[in-house]
Amino acid sequence: KNQVEQSPQSLIILEGKNCTLQCNYTVSPFSNLRWYKQDTGRGPVSLTIMTFSENTKSNGRYTATLDADTKQSSLHITASQLSDSASYICVVSLGGATNKLIFGTGTLLAVQP
Amino acid sequence: DSGVTQTPKHLITATGQRVTLRCSPRSGDLSVYWYQQSLDQGLQFLIQYYNGEERAKGNILERFSAQQFPDLHSELNLSSLELGDSALYFCASSVSQGAYAASGEQYFGPGTRLTVT
Repeated sequence: KNQVEQSPQSLIILEGKNCTLQCNYTVSPFSNLRWYKQDTGRGPVSLTIMTFSENTKSNGRYTATLDADTKQSSLHITASQLSDSASYICVVSLGGATNKLIFGTGTLLAVQP
Repeated sequence: DSGVTQTPKHLITATGQRVTLRCSPRSGDLSVYWYQQSLDQGLQFLIQYYNGEERAKGNILERFSAQQFPDLHSELNLSSLELGDSALYFCASSVSQGAYAASGEQYFGPGTRLTVT
């Protein structure tokens, strides 16, 4: 079954600290993996998109990694800010004729002062 | 601001009623996608339209329907509403004509919060 699992479900960190969010998937065939940031009550905003051949991609303080062999991805946030408080959603795209997006349920991050 | 607009922002209605949610895609985007996000649930893909035609279908109930007009705006119609239909409804758009925009970028609107009482 094609699934995307994220961990932890929620996370609280202090402002200025780093954190890493995990995404494991059982999606085949794989096309690409995306990380979205979703502020409470707002639409998701894309952070990164990685294809099979990419193993790391950065967007400011956000760095995503992808290990296509182990089917794992991580999103590392450096020097967290209060504005990083949001839900982070991992989305994997099926390749081939299906071309479907499989959404994870997200990690809720709270950054405290 | 993603460039995708959705109206209304909030909607409160009673069970059994029918509502219409509206979405205008980013300028130049031909694909529109509708998603439902219930409380504490992940995003659920409902349906995609490309240039006026249905392109892909997800977990959309028979009580729900959508269409995309010649000016590319889209409407999601929800009828015979139930309490469980209360959710955030997001519209997204992309330039991609492929189903689900699997190979391209999607831009999400701010959402419509539907409350069914």
